[in-house]
Amino acid sequence: QVQLVQSGAEVKKPGASVKVSCEASGYTFTNCAMYWVRQAPGQRLEWMGWLNAGNGDTIYSQKFQGRVTITRDTSASTAYMELSSLRSEDTAIYYCAASVWGDYHFDFWGQGTLVTVSS
Amino acid sequence: QSALTQPASVSGSPGQSITISCTGTNSDVGRYNYVSWYQQHPGKAPKLIIYDVTYRPSGVSNRFSGSKSGDTASLTISGLQAEDEADYYCNSYTSRFTYVFGTGTKVTVL
Repeated sequence: QVQLVQSGAEVKKPGASVKVSCEASGYTFTNCAMYWVRQAPGQRLEWMGWLNAGNGDTIYSQKFQGRVTITRDTSASTAYMELSSLRSEDTAIYYCAASVWGDYHFDFWGQGTLVTVSS
Repeated sequence: QSALTQPASVSGSPGQSITISCTGTNSDVGRYNYVSWYQQHPGKAPKLIIYDVTYRPSGVSNRFSGSKSGDTASLTISGLQAEDEADYYCNSYTSRFTYVFGTGTKVTVL
């Protein structure tokens, strides 16, 4: 069965960077797109960017352009999202999601990774 | 890219039908039939319930249905049940090759 398993919770200081991983199983990693979405406490879902897991191409939301980098390790079927210059407003749950059974939607989700930014 | 506009809350009694709207622009909802809907229970990851405006993934109840007219998409839940109480988000592909979520709607079953 398809599974996306994310790395554990992180606590970071303002100005630092965080890198969250998402290990995929149950499907061919390089055939599907991977997305990153975040949700601040009590707030809405916010789309951050996506990765073509086959060729490594990425597209980012304008809001995060310059601060976010999405990469992948095909040998480990794992995608990574790194967010730099962290501020308190970046405290959120970060989710990875994949389009496995088609394009243009997110049919499988990771369990989420809580990133807390605090001095 | 501004968020798609959804009502903050919608409520209904068990057995009733409710509809949640999702308004975008001619650069997203109005341009593409790539609107999807997600259900999120507290403390859980979102779950896909509708994709490509009207299609339901396998295993999703047929009480959920989707539609679109112009720049506005809609999600209808018929035969409302207690387990439908959750937050609902729409999402659309956009002309910038990106995606945008809606503001979210809290559904309350009275």
